[in-house]
Amino acid sequence: ETGVTQTPRHLVMGMTNKKSLKCEQHLGHNAMYWYKQSAKKPLELMFVYSLEERVENNSVPSRFSPECPNSSHLFLHLHTLQPEDSALYLCASSQGVKGSGELFFGEGSRLTVL
Amino acid sequence: AQKVTQAQTEISVVEKEDVTLDCVYETRDTTYYLFWYKQPPSGELVFLIRRNSFDEQNEISGRYSWNFQKSTSSFNFTITASLVVDSAVYFCALTERNYGQNFVFGPGTRLSVLP
Repeated sequence: ETGVTQTPRHLVMGMTNKKSLKCEQHLGHNAMYWYKQSAKKPLELMFVYSLEERVENNSVPSRFSPECPNSSHLFLHLHTLQPEDSALYLCASSQGVKGSGELFFGEGSRLTVL
Repeated sequence: AQKVTQAQTEISVVEKEDVTLDCVYETRDTTYYLFWYKQPPSGELVFLIRRNSFDEQNEISGRYSWNFQKSTSSFNFTITASLVVDSAVYFCALTERNYGQNFVFGPGTRLSVLP
């Protein structure tokens, strides 16, 4: 079992659907992240939670709504998405302060919006 | 502002060749951390190495080696005697101490190792 688990691995949704991506980390880390990876674009940081508080929100549209109920779980709630939101969504966790801890990634959730 | 550049979009080599992946970074912080990650076709980014700004010593791990040069703001990655299993996208990343957990990734270099 990997240290960071993401479900579902693949998701197809219509523009009017509501769905959620789930991430769970088994590493005892204190920070969790959502990244978006689109074709031909660098990894984009979406949200960062440290000790269950959101510390980064990189101008992400409100149709993406994160939730971090505890230090081991992170959700990304999706509603009324657009086709351009189709991408690989990667969850990561880290331990350490001030950027010194490396990120551990899950395998990603491949989202297709029709 | 922090920025990471990987000028090589795609590289193809034949197995057993050596290959170097370039990474150039920009930062105004005096304390920062550099990373390399590998993304195989499965999608998961795999951590390879972390370097802090105070440690310019080059590192070797098996067939992998890293050359950190602050004078040129570069952190290059060399694979010696490449194998087909090295085929992946490789990302260089940077965090700054004053900006905590904001990892900035380069665009990645796709390496194809042909048999």
